[in-house]
Amino acid sequence: QSVLTQPPSVSGAPGQRVTISCTGSSSNIGAGYDVHWYQQLPGTAPKLLIYVNRNRPSGVPDRFSGSKSGTSASLAITGLQAEDEADYYCQSYDGTLGGWVFGGGTKLTVL
Amino acid sequence: EVQLVESGGGLVKPGGSLRLSCAASGFTFSNAWMTWVRQAPGKGLEWVGRIKSKIDGGRTDYAAPVKGRFTISRDDSKNTLFLQMNILKTEDTAVYYCTRVPGGATQADNWGQGTLVTVSS
Repeated sequence: QSVLTQPPSVSGAPGQRVTISCTGSSSNIGAGYDVHWYQQLPGTAPKLLIYVNRNRPSGVPDRFSGSKSGTSASLAITGLQAEDEADYYCQSYDGTLGGWVFGGGTKLTVL
Repeated sequence: EVQLVESGGGLVKPGGSLRLSCAASGFTFSNAWMTWVRQAPGKGLEWVGRIKSKIDGGRTDYAAPVKGRFTISRDDSKNTLFLQMNILKTEDTAVYYCTRVPGGATQADNWGQGTLVTVSS
């Protein structure tokens, strides 16, 4: 069981908008720790997609956006493209565990 | 360009030991905090542990499943990160990724390609 909870899968047609939720608790997201998102394309290493809740590293399209509220965070992807098909993971810090925690991952399928 | 290249993975029997290395280039390694993250076959990401830069104290922290068995260290003169894994269990089977953490941050901004560790009799 992952400390952060994500839906196992989401799907959408090309051009559509999808969101992926990440639910934590008062010892991680709710404690004010930042949330980060990673994209893992099939057979590759994860790549930082969103950092500190809503910031995009250089090179990440603005179709990807992040938000955080209370004990949850969300990743939104607009204008879905076939190349977005991947696993997405949220990550934060847990003050009780004293280390990083990840969500279980969400598989995005572009129909 | 930041590059992280892991090596040292392989097949090991339960109870055995293995040391992973991560060769870093393209940035000032001595200033960087570094982490190890693993991914069991077909599963999600799991944080293994982190080492701070020596200038920030060099402290190490570990996830509960590996604490007392795994040790993270660094050789700043060789720009290399290590993960010493002892008393290996079958559940330690995973791809192990070396990652860079921007100073004081809580995210990994660069990842290696990973090295596979298989613990099996």
